[in-house]
Amino acid sequence: AQTVTQSQPEMSVQEAETVTLSCTYDTSESDYYLFWYKQPPSRQMILVIRQEAYKQQNATENRFSVNFQKAAKSFSLKISDSQLGDAAMYFCATSGTYKYIFGTGTRLKVLA
Amino acid sequence: DGGITQSPKYLFRKEGQNVTLSCEQNLNHDAMYWYRQDPGQGLRLIYYSQIVNDFQKGDIAEGYSVSREKKESFPLTVTSAQKNPTAFYLCASRQVGTWNGYTFGSGTRLTVV
Repeated sequence: AQTVTQSQPEMSVQEAETVTLSCTYDTSESDYYLFWYKQPPSRQMILVIRQEAYKQQNATENRFSVNFQKAAKSFSLKISDSQLGDAAMYFCATSGTYKYIFGTGTRLKVLA
Repeated sequence: DGGITQSPKYLFRKEGQNVTLSCEQNLNHDAMYWYRQDPGQGLRLIYYSQIVNDFQKGDIAEGYSVSREKKESFPLTVTSAQKNPTAFYLCASRQVGTWNGYTFGSGTRLTVV
C-alpha cells in the first residue's frame, strides 16, 4: 500500500524568504508520479508541481522547486521569495494504480 | 473553459436524511473521485470510478453511495448510515493514461444540523 507522510503540520516563513516543506512516501509502484497541491483559504485545490519518478532532474516551476531523493523516498517542496499569496495548506501526493494518495498537509503561514 | 462543478457549495442536513452532492465535469476525463477532508486528516478517498457504470470503494465508503451513469457526472449520496457526515467534500477527475494530476472541483461543505 502507498503512504505519504508530511511531518510538519505548520510552518512559518518571512515574506521574501525561502521555506522547505517535507514529504516522505512509500510505494510499491515501479512507475509513479509525485505531486504538490496548494489549498488556499478558498479551499480550491491547485496543482503546484509534479515530478516523474523515473526522472532524476528535479522539477521547477517559477519560485517552486522540489528536491526528489528517490532512494530515500523523499519529495520536499522549496518555495523561494515567499509571497503573502503563498499562505495555504500544501498537500503532497503520490500516484497509485488507480488513485492518488495524499498526506495530511502542512499549513504555511507567510509573515509580512 | 473546461472544469469540474460541484454543487451546492454549502449543504445542511438534518439527522436521518440522505443528501446528494453533485459533481459534473466537461473535461472528458475518464476517472472521477470523491474525497472527504477533515481537519488534520488530509484527503481520504470515499469512492472512485474509472469508467461509466463502474465504481470502487475507497478507504471510507461506509455510509456513502455513488453512481456513474454518464461520463461527465459522479454524484455522491451521503446516507443516514454515515455517523459523522459533517466535512468538506472534494470531487476530482483525471484522464486515465496521463499524469497531469487531478483536476478538483471547488468543494461542498456539508453540515449536519
